[in-house]
Amino acid sequence: EVVLTQSPATLSLSPGDRATLSCRASQNINNYLAWYQQKPGQAPRLLIYDASNRATGIPPRFSGSGFGTDFTLTISGLEPEDFAVYYCQQRSNWPPLTFGGGTKVDIK
Amino acid sequence: QVHLVESGGGVVQPGRSLRLSCAASGFTFSGNGMHWVRQAPGKGLEWVAVISYDGDNQYYADSVKGRFTISRDNSENTLYLDINSLRTEDTAMYFCARDLKNGDFDYWGQGTLVTVSS
Repeated sequence: EVVLTQSPATLSLSPGDRATLSCRASQNINNYLAWYQQKPGQAPRLLIYDASNRATGIPPRFSGSGFGTDFTLTISGLEPEDFAVYYCQQRSNWPPLTFGGGTKVDIK
Repeated sequence: QVHLVESGGGVVQPGRSLRLSCAASGFTFSGNGMHWVRQAPGKGLEWVAVISYDGDNQYYADSVKGRFTISRDNSENTLYLDINSLRTEDTAMYFCARDLKNGDFDYWGQGTLVTVSS
């Protein structure tokens, strides 16, 4: 099973700041990584698939990068609606599909 | 637009069974694989099961294998999850989600809450 480790667990930032979230895989997963955003009481929303492709309707301030075992989600210029929990998820070696433990981006 | 609506959750005693449903609209349901993903209260996301577009193939997380059954009715645009021998650790919000590229999720329902308690 591929284990995904996200860091940091919590990121405290201000609106307008740049957010950098990390996801590390326990083995090579090529570019088969997705990122999701989840707000309280809501379902997750797909942001990025295949490491760097923005999903439909996702604004360009969200970008993804990485290959192999190390991946990054960058939010350039946090908007108030971006404060949420972010999960990475791999589809390289499955079943099972696995998620990271999440990074909470909260307001400083 | 794509719309997924789960139903069937509730409070259930340990050892009992439950059927969850996910009604799909806004896309050709028979053209996509479908997943169930769950989230225990205050915890992260856990993939549960997947079914292929035609219903011929199903895969499960080890934690539910043998107790959960995923199925679909393409004529009714509905996805199901049959849960048997419920355990307290099955307490979670259960989301259905559409498969995007063989193992990721582009659309999600709002979830249905299953609480297992005596």
